[in-house]
Amino acid sequence: GAGVSQTPSNKVTEKGKYVELRCDPISGHTALYWYRQSLGQGPEFLIYFQGTGAADDSGLPNDRFFAVRPEGSVSTLKIQRTERGDSAVYLCASSSLAGPYNEQFFGPGTRLTVL
Amino acid sequence: AQSVSQHNHHVILSEAASLELGCNYSYGGTVNLFWYVQYPGQHLQLLLKYFSGDPLVKGIKGFEAEFIKSKFSFNLRKPSVQWSDTAEYFCAVNAFDQGGKLIFGQGTELSVKP
Repeated sequence: GAGVSQTPSNKVTEKGKYVELRCDPISGHTALYWYRQSLGQGPEFLIYFQGTGAADDSGLPNDRFFAVRPEGSVSTLKIQRTERGDSAVYLCASSSLAGPYNEQFFGPGTRLTVL
Repeated sequence: AQSVSQHNHHVILSEAASLELGCNYSYGGTVNLFWYVQYPGQHLQLLLKYFSGDPLVKGIKGFEAEFIKSKFSFNLRKPSVQWSDTAEYFCAVNAFDQGGKLIFGQGTELSVKP
């Protein structure tokens, strides 16, 4: 079956621009996670959804970052007024339910480059 | 705040050598522990996990890890590595009261020479 997909695979933008990154979770998975991975680092938690609601957004670095999941399936991570420090690979993962006992399946990531 | 530390940034081994990758975490409460692997050009995937019970857990491809609570450690081992084990390995921790949120270490790149 299909895994987690993310689009675009690469995004190059200029400082100050707005970007949207999309995640399509595995069908039927109710939990969805966003992580950010900078060069040479492990993934860093940003936010997770259980259904349509954000259950924990404590990892969002500031108010330029926002994520939605309006129908409980596809999620979009939105970054306003991008900065060079936002350059990273943005990873999405989904699991059948929220919680540690349910394996998170990761997508391939979106590589964001802010010039 | 929770944190995870992986001691080795890059490990180079010859085939058939034994492997041990260190992982230490800081958190005073109950934790669940994971090792993830990322093969070149592939997604992150789960290698093994520890929730409770026997502190020695076995995962896929002959990997195992031992949870030592007194040392806050969860080291990954494999008795004999293969060239196909070349990958980046990430240790991750989830605090019992934190939903599914994972805190990752910085990763260890393993290169196995044929």
